[in-house]
Amino acid sequence: KNEVEQSPQNLTAQEGEFITINCSYSVGISALHWLQQHPGGGIVSLFMLSSGKKKHGRLIATINIQEKHSSLHITASHPRDSAVYICAAPYYGGSQGNLIFGKGTKLSVKP
Amino acid sequence: DAGITQSPRHKVTETGTPVTLRCHQTENHRYMYWYRQDPGHGLRLIHYSYGVKDTDKGEVSDGYSVSRSKTEDFLLTLESATSSQTSVYFCATQGADNNSPLHFGNGTRLTVT
Repeated sequence: KNEVEQSPQNLTAQEGEFITINCSYSVGISALHWLQQHPGGGIVSLFMLSSGKKKHGRLIATINIQEKHSSLHITASHPRDSAVYICAAPYYGGSQGNLIFGKGTKLSVKP
Repeated sequence: DAGITQSPRHKVTETGTPVTLRCHQTENHRYMYWYRQDPGHGLRLIHYSYGVKDTDKGEVSDGYSVSRSKTEDFLLTLESATSSQTSVYFCATQGADNNSPLHFGNGTRLTVT
């Protein structure tokens, strides 16, 4: 069974700062998910990545399969980025199927 | 996501009563999942489905059952609700492609008194 750890648990930043959230897992996988949970509770998928780097707007996700580690970066952070960010990996490794989730990183960006 | 509807959005029920939560999708996704989210825990898988009438247990399946009689609907049933099942329940779907992202419903807040 995979173990997924996120750090930090809580993060407060000033508007404009560069943000990094980390995720590590214990069992080899071929795809990892990053999700965003809004203050209202809705959850959206940000990235699903299996290697290298993906970029969407000010969000960048990287993964190192060998080191079993992924990072989510936010450039030029804004108060609207305030949310809980969650990473998830396949429960038994591999790529698809049921997932195990980290406990999330609560980000608060102050104006 | 616009294509995934959970109902009801909120429910208060008494201990010992049966409760059914519904997840309806218009995306024709193969995989459907039920998760619960509790303070101090990440999302935890209750049950999932990989096709019509094909379901399997997740990490926290005790006290729950599911059914999927057609592609678009995945029902979660609490046969006899307990206070420990007070939680926020999320349904999610995923396409068959290995690169498919997850799509979440808006959640159902269930309170068992």
